[in-house]
Amino acid sequence: DAKTTQPNSMESNEEEPVHLPCNHSTISGTDYIHWYRQLPSQGPEYVIHGLTSNVNNRMASLAIAEDRKSSTLILHRATLRDAAVYYCILRESNSGYALNFGKGTSLLVTP
Amino acid sequence: DTEVTQTPKHLVMGMTNKKSLKCEQHMGHRAMYWYKQKAKKPPELMFVYSYEKLSINESVPSRFSPECPNSSLLNLHLHALQPEDSALYLCASSQDPSRETQYFGPGTRLLVL
Repeated sequence: DAKTTQPNSMESNEEEPVHLPCNHSTISGTDYIHWYRQLPSQGPEYVIHGLTSNVNNRMASLAIAEDRKSSTLILHRATLRDAAVYYCILRESNSGYALNFGKGTSLLVTP
Repeated sequence: DTEVTQTPKHLVMGMTNKKSLKCEQHMGHRAMYWYKQKAKKPPELMFVYSYEKLSINESVPSRFSPECPNSSLLNLHLHALQPEDSALYLCASSQDPSRETQYFGPGTRLLVL
């Protein structure tokens, strides 16, 4: 899987939007962009994924750059429960198997 | 039901003990995974079972022995572990190996003394 680069940590105020960036300059045409998050003392949980178009679901939005070399996970209104490590992972559509977690971004949400 | 359960939640064992970790899912998923996560590090893959057959072993030492008795259960047998094996052991499942979404359990926190 191609490599991703994320900031080590970010901080946000509660009830404000959060934009979590991810760079993946070596992405291939068949790589999907996945986001997982891991809350303290829990296993990772799926957040969202996309290929080329922007995606929305009940948890977040994923904005993908036109050249696909970067993407941004958007939490529209951060809550204290959103404090977690957010992982951006590239996964080839048919490769299956493991998720290759990078270091992720640790998000701190302050009241 | 999108739940993966793991037991026990915590385990303390000596280097001469034999213990087992258990993982269960009732989502009809046919791929199951074991990951290891050291403190402040991302999860790392250990094993993948696909349709109850071991399909990937990421060069894991033989003191870790996985077992998939049926499509809902995944065990990890532990024997003669070292203190550096202390970590959070995560189980995950997906509909099949090619499906994007993996569902993780809460993990078993293992301490080897």
